[in-house]
Amino acid sequence: GENVEQHPSTLSVQEGDSAVIKCTYSDSASNYFPWYKQELGKRPQLIIDIRSNVGEKKDQRIAVTLNKTAKHFSLHITETQPEDSAVYFCAASRSNYQLIWGAGTKLIIKP
Amino acid sequence: SAVISQKPSRDICQRGTSLTIQCQVDSQVTMMFWYRQQPGQSLTLIATANQGSEATYESGFVIDKFPISRPNLTFSTLTVSNMSPEDSSIYLCSVEVASYEQYFGPGTRLTVT
Repeated sequence: GENVEQHPSTLSVQEGDSAVIKCTYSDSASNYFPWYKQELGKRPQLIIDIRSNVGEKKDQRIAVTLNKTAKHFSLHITETQPEDSAVYFCAASRSNYQLIWGAGTKLIIKP
Repeated sequence: SAVISQKPSRDICQRGTSLTIQCQVDSQVTMMFWYRQQPGQSLTLIATANQGSEATYESGFVIDKFPISRPNLTFSTLTVSNMSPEDSSIYLCSVEVASYEQYFGPGTRLTVT
């Protein structure tokens, strides 16, 4: 069935370094790929997304890249800051306007 | 985006009872979704609520246990019926603002004793 695999499950980086989280999807019909950030006790927040007609999208310190041939997409965070500590979820679109979710990555920023 | 509210924010309920969770959005939206999220876990879709039609449930979720109403384009309710401790979770509603783009409510933390 359709699924999204997300790696790593936990990522610890030094403040100021870059962080990369990767996701692989199975449904070749998927054409929308969002990333959400969820802080402890808060709702998931959409931080960046990409559609299948582009290969990369940037918004300040965050960027997402998409490789449709390989069916994978990645979140890149540069110059990490303590407030980047959170759980990040990737997702891929499926029919009926639904999203298939990755398992999440806990990002820890070490001071 | 959209401003989405949920009521209640949290509740402690006894087993065998039911709880209705409300989701309100500040603009008209076609698609609303109900999710469950266990601590430390990902999001699990319960059902899709499209105004004017019956909700569509995902595998493992049934209407008798999780009845959903969608009376208009800004409001939906999810009822958790005949609750057991296994229903303890965070329940989130989301709305689709643009093609596939979803925004979430603040969630309802449910504890069943």
